[in-house]
Amino acid sequence: QKEVEQDPGPLSVPEGAIVSLNCTYSNSAFQYFMWYRQYSRKGPELLMYTYSSGNKEDGRFTAQVDKSSKYISLFIRDSQPSDSATYLCAMSGTSGSSNTGKLIFGQGTTLQVKP
Amino acid sequence: DGGITQSPKYLFRKEGQNVTLSCEQNLNHDAMYWYRQDPGQGLRLIYYSQIVNDFQKGDIAEGYSVSREKKESFPLTVTSAQKNPTAFYLCASAGKPGNTIYFGEGSWLTVV
Repeated sequence: QKEVEQDPGPLSVPEGAIVSLNCTYSNSAFQYFMWYRQYSRKGPELLMYTYSSGNKEDGRFTAQVDKSSKYISLFIRDSQPSDSATYLCAMSGTSGSSNTGKLIFGQGTTLQVKP
Repeated sequence: DGGITQSPKYLFRKEGQNVTLSCEQNLNHDAMYWYRQDPGQGLRLIYYSQIVNDFQKGDIAEGYSVSREKKESFPLTVTSAQKNPTAFYLCASAGKPGNTIYFGEGSWLTVV
């Protein structure tokens, strides 16, 4: 079983739809959770960074972390064609009191938003 | 502009040849990382370095080597021992280990 599981999709939605992207994980030591967006043939860019459980909102994007269920989500409101990309979840844990900095990635979900 | 620069963007090599991918950052970051990405898969960690003159193996280090002689540079050599070297290689850096990781634009390596 992989440490981080992410549905690869592809996911196709009409413009304006609410998109929900999800990851599950098995390692309870993970404390830092990230979502990256990757356009075709480009490096990933950081979208959201969350520590421990809770919600974080940034414009049309909301990240949720439920550590009790080992489940994280990224919601995109009013989705736009420019949101079409691959979305990667990533997480890292601690060694002692320090973040190890080693990110474990999900496989990525490919999203297509149709005009 | 501050950022992470990878070169070359595209590289073709014959099987059995070693190849070195360059990664330079001007963000004054301590930590640097190399990831490999294959189609339909997430990123897998090859090597990482938390400080100059020190580096550790990641999950798939076999067939790769790195050096960290300068803070801003972390080159990756793909050796002939790497069985499936054709992939998209991503360099990343973080201010401190555990801080947010930022990526370069990647290098596409094709071995024929």
